[in-house]
Amino acid sequence: SQQGEEDPQALSIQEGENATMNCSYKTSINNLQWYRQNSGRGLVHLILIRSNEREKHSGRLRVTLDTSKKSSSLLITASRAADTASYFCVNTAARFGAGTRLTVKP
Amino acid sequence: VTQNPRYLITVTGKKLTVTCSQNMNHEYMSWYRQDPGMGLRLIHYSVGAGITDQGEVPNGYNVSRSTTEDFPLRLLSAAPSQTSVYFCASSYDRGSGNTIYFGEGSWLTVV
Repeated sequence: SQQGEEDPQALSIQEGENATMNCSYKTSINNLQWYRQNSGRGLVHLILIRSNEREKHSGRLRVTLDTSKKSSSLLITASRAADTASYFCVNTAARFGAGTRLTVKP
Repeated sequence: VTQNPRYLITVTGKKLTVTCSQNMNHEYMSWYRQDPGMGLRLIHYSVGAGITDQGEVPNGYNVSRSTTEDFPLRLLSAAPSQTSVYFCASSYDRGSGNTIYFGEGSWLTVV
């Protein structure tokens, strides 16, 4: 399937904790992107990791990519209530999974 | 990416159009629908003016791409099963390394 599968489906943490969500594919991964969707809004691009990269950072975000396992993870450090959203990974052909719904409690 | 209307209630059988436009000179544009608790499913896409193709769930929808900027979505005969949130998106091209820009969504209810 070209569709990504995010895991877990839902995650609830306290403010200040780290949040880790995973993404896996059955097909090979090329350039993988992560998006965030706040409730009632469109998706916003967070970060892109290319197939020849293993790790990438952007502010409080850290993304890893393991092409041999066809998987990626998104780590949000020192989470804030404003990080509450759904997070999606996208591989080629712009196929979106169901996402991970993150709730950060103040 | 600008899409209109943002909210619409219509009745079964009506024909309606949701407009989408972008001013970033993006070649690739697409339409998705998102149902509660689910990801986005691709309805139709276009790789350039005059070219459109079907995505995962094209039945009941029609698109056209007469200009680079505009990519309207038409519901030929609205059905309750088409009650959903619709997102238009664009990117430089279809390549996987390009950021996808999304509109804010159009909430459609078919009664």
